[in-house]
Amino acid sequence: KAGVTQTPRYLIKTRGQQVTLSCSPISGHRSVSWYQQTPGQGLQFLFEYFSETQRNKGNFPGRFSGRQFSNSRSEMNVSTLELGDSALYLCASSLGGARDTIYFGEGSWLTVV
Amino acid sequence: QKEVEQNSGPLSVPEGAIASLNCTYSDRGSQSFFWYRQYSGKSPELIMSIYSNGDKEDGRFTAQLNKASQYVSLLIRDSQPSDSATYLCAVSLTGANNLFFGTGTRLTVIP
Repeated sequence: KAGVTQTPRYLIKTRGQQVTLSCSPISGHRSVSWYQQTPGQGLQFLFEYFSETQRNKGNFPGRFSGRQFSNSRSEMNVSTLELGDSALYLCASSLGGARDTIYFGEGSWLTVV
Repeated sequence: QKEVEQNSGPLSVPEGAIASLNCTYSDRGSQSFFWYRQYSGKSPELIMSIYSNGDKEDGRFTAQLNKASQYVSLLIRDSQPSDSATYLCAVSLTGANNLFFGTGTRLTVIP
């Protein structure tokens, strides 16, 4: 059974640009969550999508957005990149129930220069 | 104000000893509690989940929850060098799909 797949794994962007990250969940999983991990702030919840609808949202500015497609694949977008957006972005998927285990992908390493 | 607090460590224990990891949380409405392990350069993986007060054991791991004290802990018995990793405590007001993480405790098990 394939795990959570994130692409691209590594990318470098310039300040002011935008970036789109992709996440393919485990087959059958309908919930996709996104997290940002930095050395200073740790793992922070961005948002969660379930059946194409944003179900939960963290405390990030509107530059961070996401969407989910009918096949449960998800994308997140960061516009007007700032140096502080440099981080590991992790996607996690689950069946969607409150007690269902979430499984993380390997992450996308974003460096903003 | 941080929602989930953990000692950043590093915590060093000899092989075979018990490692004790602690976590406190600020929101009394938190309902779900999780411990994740993250090896360097890897993604987090779930070790334990706990939802009600008391202890929950799974192999060498025991999670303890005290909602009155807003405290959750993880004990690792017979620690092995392969347990060396960062341990992340996570809590949620609802379920597993929107977690608040602590910054993690780095554990080193010395052979």
